[in-house]
Order: sequence, then C-alpha cells, then structure tokens
Amino acid sequence: GENVEQHPSTLSVQEGDSAVIKCTYSDSASNYFPWYKQELGKRPQLIIDIRSNVGEKKDQRIAVTLNKTAKHFSLHITETQPEDSAVYFCAASINFGNEKLTFGTGTRLTIIP
Amino acid sequence: SAVISQKPSRDICQRGTSLTIQCQVDSQVTMMFWYRQQPGQSLTLIATANQGSEATYESGFVIDKFPISRPNLTFSTLTVSNMSPEDSSIYLCSVGSVNGYTFGSGTRLTVV
Repeated sequence: GENVEQHPSTLSVQEGDSAVIKCTYSDSASNYFPWYKQELGKRPQLIIDIRSNVGEKKDQRIAVTLNKTAKHFSLHITETQPEDSAVYFCAASINFGNEKLTFGTGTRLTIIP
Repeated sequence: SAVISQKPSRDICQRGTSLTIQCQVDSQVTMMFWYRQQPGQSLTLIATANQGSEATYESGFVIDKFPISRPNLTFSTLTVSNMSPEDSSIYLCSVGSVNGYTFGSGTRLTVV
C-alpha cells in the first residue's frame, strides 16, 4: 500500500521568512496530493491540493510543487505570519474523492515573531 | 462540500466498556472513512465504510475491536469495543466525494 514520508517533523522560521515542507510517496498510482493544516484541538483543514496532471499550484502565499518522476511534493509558505503556526500534514490518494487518503507524519511549524 | 456532524465530541470511559461514535452527513456520499489520531501523531486510517457492504479494515485494525455500521449514504457509526487506556485517542470520520474530502470535528476519547 501507499506510504507517505514527511519531513521535517518540526520547523521554526522567523516571521516573514519562507517555510518548505517535503513529502515523498511510494505508490506511483497516486494522483491527488492535498495539504492540511491542523490547529490544536481542531479538525484538519485543506489549505491547498494538487493533482498529478500539473507540476505546481499557487494560492496567495501558499504553493505546492509536484515531481511525479521522483514521487515527491512540497509545500511552500512565503511571508510567514504567526497564524501560520500549526501542524501540517501531506496526504496522497490514488483516486480523488473515491479512495482513502494516506497521511504523512506531520510537521509542527512554529513562526517566531 | 459535505458537512459532517460527529458525536460525541468527547467522552471519558471505563476500561472494558464500549463507545459508539456517530457521523451524520448532510448529503449522500459513497465513501466514508474512519481515522484514529493518537496524541501528537498523524491520522491513521482504521477502515473504509461503503453503504451496503462490509467495511474494509486496514492492517492492524479488526472488526471485533472496531465494528462499523453504514446503514445508508448519510450515516455511519464506529464502535470502540472492550476499551483499554491505549485506545485513548481522537477518532475522526471523513467523507470523500466529487468535491473532495471533509472531516468531522472528531471525538476525543479518554479511557480510564
């Protein structure tokens, strides 16, 4: 089955700097890759996603890149703000909406004011 | 996107007892998933529940411990049976549809 690895497990960056979180997946059939933000005591919230037919997607300060050949994808957050502090999870699925999500191990991002 | 109502939001249970968690969805969905999130950990899939068929369990999870019902396209339950302190965790339901994935608010279970 699918295995998703995520790193780093913790990341601290100065406010205003950029943060990058990386994930690799094992199943070449995976074609949907979302990123979730989870604040303490809350459910995961989708922040951005990408499908395998594109290499990059951007939404304001957040971007995701996908390298299908290498089977890895990354989350990029620019101009970080204190409210970006949270745990971030990557995930992968072989069929958007119709198959399970396999989650990475998570990254605790701390923005230092 | 679908809206999920998950109950209870939290519970404290005695070891050896069982707890049933309910998820009600505001629209018909084919795929429902049950996850466990242990303290400080990621989400681990327990099982996939499709209406009208037996749930499909992931490695390490068995039906006797986590029986699931899926009587229709808007409702599912997960029971945590014969609980031990190791079952203390957050349990989340999720649905998949053409609009993507939605998560319930979670059930925080403490077993004492």
